[in-house]
Amino acid sequence: GAGVSQSPSNKVTEKGKDVELRCDPISGHTALYWYRQRLGQGLEFLIYFQGNSAPDKSGLPSDRFSAERTGESVSTLTIQRTQQEDSAVYLCASSSTGGVPAYEQYFGPGTRLTVT
Amino acid sequence: GNSVTQMEGPVTLSEEAFLTINCTYTATGYPSLFWYVQYPGEGLQLLLKATKADDKGSNKGFEATYRKETTSFHLEKGSVQVSDSAVYFCALKENAGGTSYGKLTFGQGTILTVHP
Repeated sequence: GAGVSQSPSNKVTEKGKDVELRCDPISGHTALYWYRQRLGQGLEFLIYFQGNSAPDKSGLPSDRFSAERTGESVSTLTIQRTQQEDSAVYLCASSSTGGVPAYEQYFGPGTRLTVT
Repeated sequence: GNSVTQMEGPVTLSEEAFLTINCTYTATGYPSLFWYVQYPGEGLQLLLKATKADDKGSNKGFEATYRKETTSFHLEKGSVQVSDSAVYFCALKENAGGTSYGKLTFGQGTILTVHP
């Protein structure tokens, strides 16, 4: 079946503009995650959604970052008033849920954001 | 908070050489541990995992053993191939409250290059 898809694959924007990044999870996956990967660094957790529970926003770096998800479908990550330090690859992942042990997170190809 | 430390790269080996990539972690409780791999031009994918102490994860000739006493999860392969050239990420997930979902904490990644 289809994997996690993200759009756009590349985005170049000017400093100060707002951007929206989109993630389509694997059908039936109730958990959805956003991560950021800056050049030469590991992945940084941003936010995750699980069903109808309140999202875990603990990784969002500032109030310029927000994300939404409707039900168990598409999610959008919005960055307002972009700064050059926001330049990174933004990765989305989804997973099924249940009891322990851990369930695999399937990653999308990412959106490469460049702020000029 | 949780953290993952990987050996610094890049690592360059000849084909059929033995590979070790060190990974140590700091976490509260008993996390699940993972190795993810990112091949050139591809998305991040799970390589192997271990969910409790002394478990050994294995896949594609790679192995890693969950060592609670040394808080380590070193990745090994007895004979690397050119096709193993990729970036390898060690990661952990807290198993809080018996849930299977939750954010991953990643190391910074190790670039492996294997020459013929």
